[in-house]
Amino acid sequence: DAGVTQSPTHLIKTRGQQVTLRCSPKSGHDTVSWYQQALGQGPQFIFQYYEEEERQRGNFPDRFSGHQFPNYSSELNVNALLLGDSALYLCASSFRGVVGRAGELFFGEGSRLTVL
Amino acid sequence: DQQVKQNSPSLSVQEGRISILNCDYTNSMFDYFLWYKKYPAEGPTFLISISSIKDKNEDGRFTVFLNKSAKHLSLHIVPSQPGDSAVYFCAAFVNSGGSNYKLTFGKGTLLTVNP
Repeated sequence: DAGVTQSPTHLIKTRGQQVTLRCSPKSGHDTVSWYQQALGQGPQFIFQYYEEEERQRGNFPDRFSGHQFPNYSSELNVNALLLGDSALYLCASSFRGVVGRAGELFFGEGSRLTVL
Repeated sequence: DQQVKQNSPSLSVQEGRISILNCDYTNSMFDYFLWYKKYPAEGPTFLISISSIKDKNEDGRFTVFLNKSAKHLSLHIVPSQPGDSAVYFCAAFVNSGGSNYKLTFGKGTLLTVNP
């Protein structure tokens, strides 16, 4: 049973560039959330996708956008990269219709983005 | 404005002793609280949660206590084992039904259990 997979694991970009991160949810899951974890901080909610639509959004600018595909996989896009966008980007999945242990999300290992 | 606060960046305990990790929150709307554990190079994994209508929840060696009046929760690990060494994140959310959780995390506490 494959868990949440993310790619790439590491990448380096320069200021002003654009980046796309990818996530495949755990088998059977249909909801994907993205979190940003800056160094020394806890994960911070970016947005959540279900049925190919953005359902919830955290306090992030419009430079952060996403997409969900019919197979439930998801992409996170960040435009006009800033130095402050350097962070670990975590993808988490769940199955919207079923509540197992309250608050349980399944996280991938993350994509570490460095902006120079 | 940090709604979930973990004021201890690190904690070191001896194997077999109790580990107590603390967390404070400011948002009264939160109705579920939870703990995640994170090993290096891995994603966070769910550990235990508690509803705001309870004051204690136990799962094996792990117990979470909630004091709503103080807006404080703690995680007790008894007995602590070297494999428990990890970063522990406190988190909370407002229950809107289903599993579409929007979690608010603290900064984490690095627990080191010494053999």
